[in-house]
Amino acid sequence: KAGVTQTPRYLIKTRGQQVTLSCSPISGHRSVSWYQQTPGQGLQFLFEYFSETQRNKGNFPGRFSGRQFSNSRSEMNVSTLELGDSALYLCASSLRWTGDLSSGNTIYFGEGSWLTVV
Amino acid sequence: GQQLNQSPQSMFIQEGEDVSMNCTSSSIFNTWLWYKQDPGEGPVLLIALYKAGELTSNGRLTAQFGITRKDSFLNISASIPSDVGIYFCAGQGAGGTSYGKLTFGQGTILTVHP
Repeated sequence: KAGVTQTPRYLIKTRGQQVTLSCSPISGHRSVSWYQQTPGQGLQFLFEYFSETQRNKGNFPGRFSGRQFSNSRSEMNVSTLELGDSALYLCASSLRWTGDLSSGNTIYFGEGSWLTVV
Repeated sequence: GQQLNQSPQSMFIQEGEDVSMNCTSSSIFNTWLWYKQDPGEGPVLLIALYKAGELTSNGRLTAQFGITRKDSFLNISASIPSDVGIYFCAGQGAGGTSYGKLTFGQGTILTVHP
């Protein structure tokens, strides 16, 4: 079955602009989480959506937002881009929300969207 | 927030050697996951551990969930060149504001010389 699909794979934006990234989870998965990966900070949790509701949130400013649609697809938006927002943005999906820690509710990642802010 | 200490940061080994890496934390976790990431790609799940003390294998890979729930290790036996990459541990929070969230280690960069 198809994995987690993220678009676009690469993009370049200018400081002050805004960007929207898209994620299609594995078919049947209802939870989508977003992570930011940078060389300095590593992988950091942004937020999680389950059944169109934000269930969990990391420590990022309000410029970072997201949403989930009824088909479980998710988008994340970053407004007023800063140079430090340059990163690999990873989407991950799981069957149930990640607070359900039972066996089988494994988290799978997409290939990521590379954002460069200039 | 929760912190994971992953070691070693990097390893240079000869093909055929065994590899061991581990993660420790001051906080307990309910789930431990091990991922491998190739350059420019997303992390790929290797092994998932759900119970303290659990020992799980996936081919040449073996991982264990520590009894204290604060640590985990990953072993790779008889390494091959395609094992090259960055290995991450991740713990899933057990309570409070960290419940369900994944916290990642800083990664172990593995280089295998033929």
